[in-house]
Amino acid sequence: GQQVMQIPQYQHVQEGEDFTTYCNSSTTLSNIQWYKQRPGGHPVFLIQLVKSGEVKKQKRLTFQFGEAKKNSSLHITATQTTDVGTYFCASRAGGFKTIFGAGTRLFVKA
Amino acid sequence: GAVVSQHPSWVICKSGTSVKIECRSLDFQATTMFWYRQFPKQSLMLMATSNEGSKATYEQGVEKDKFLINHASLTLSTLTVTSAHPEDSSFYICSANPRGLERGEYEQYFGPGTRLTVT
Repeated sequence: GQQVMQIPQYQHVQEGEDFTTYCNSSTTLSNIQWYKQRPGGHPVFLIQLVKSGEVKKQKRLTFQFGEAKKNSSLHITATQTTDVGTYFCASRAGGFKTIFGAGTRLFVKA
Repeated sequence: GAVVSQHPSWVICKSGTSVKIECRSLDFQATTMFWYRQFPKQSLMLMATSNEGSKATYEQGVEKDKFLINHASLTLSTLTVTSAHPEDSSFYICSANPRGLERGEYEQYFGPGTRLTVT
């Protein structure tokens, strides 16, 4: 079945440094979503990308969908302690069923 | 914003008993609701997809007779863990897609989760 692989598994950064997490698939994805889950919390939907090469920004967050629609990235510029959490990519496979990547856990040191 | 509630937020039960978890969309109608299971520090594993008025679609490996899902209305779905065992202990999260989105739009709202501990 459809799978999305996410790297890195975790990353430690100093506050103010940039952070990027990558999501890859061996098959072409019709869409990609990104979610954030704070420690002890539930996932929060951030964004969905559907077009080849699409780039979307939300303040310090930049989301990209690859030209071949097999990979995606989430980049955070100048991380803050409030960015701490696990970032999941996911893809909707048929209807509304969503398959999640393993997540990248971000630690930010003040 | 759209809110999804879950009840209870945590529950401890004895092995062999059944536990019902409710998932409600409080301020929107949901065409589809999903049930996930999440182990500590791991990703979400989709268990089943439920649509109002129809049988749930279970993912491979998920026992439908053990995890009973009832989607009674456009705002309520329930997950019953029957004859619970310690290995069923987990964090169960529901999510819902709102009805009436424009073509091409997508939103998914998650409940706060229910932590089940089976002793």
